[in-house]
Amino acid sequence: QVQLQESGPGLVKPSETLSLTCAVSGYSISSGYYWGWIRQPPGKGLEWIGSIYHSGSTYYNPSLKSRVTISVDTSKNQFSLKLSSVTAADTAVYYCASRLWIAAPNDYWGQGTLVTVSS
Amino acid sequence: EIVLTQSPGTLSLSPGERATLSCRASQSVSSSYLAWYQQKPGQAPRLLIYGASSRATGIPDRFSGSGSGTDFTLTISRLEPEDFAVYYCQQYGSSLTFGPGTKVDIK
Repeated sequence: QVQLQESGPGLVKPSETLSLTCAVSGYSISSGYYWGWIRQPPGKGLEWIGSIYHSGSTYYNPSLKSRVTISVDTSKNQFSLKLSSVTAADTAVYYCASRLWIAAPNDYWGQGTLVTVSS
Repeated sequence: EIVLTQSPGTLSLSPGERATLSCRASQSVSSSYLAWYQQKPGQAPRLLIYGASSRATGIPDRFSGSGSGTDFTLTISRLEPEDFAVYYCQQYGSSLTFGPGTKVDIK
């Protein structure tokens, strides 16, 4: 059973970079799967941010691509999100999630972590 | 980008009733790469249906999905108390996008 756990600061200042990490247990990232991030502003719907394969190939939401970097650390069995130049509109619950291959639904999810952008 | 719309926005029903939720895509969803998720307050979404009509592991058979092309439906045959939640459709054939959700609440 794959388990995902997000971690990172709950408060980020405007214009700074949001950084989150997702620790994976029950499965080796090196074995496959696509690993990604999805966010949900308070009271709103879901937005895909991007995904990464264990090889390092990345796929980003075009609307966020200029500000997003997703990376993987196979030695620590975790992957990370960096979102630069944040504004209040980036306030959301951030979920890490996995999918079996690039054209597959998200089958495993972390519990989510709220990140607030405020000075 | 494929845009998904869901209707109705809110569905008010009683336990035991049948729920029919709609998801429409702005263009054809390739190979029926359409999924449905259930989300309860304070929880992550849970995968219910993938490939438009296949139930995910452990999902009760009162949940069923149908459709192809641009029109898809999630049906809950008889609502149980734990089924009152928000439901999202997602297409994963061309990038990845979600619909805005349908809230199923207790009448």
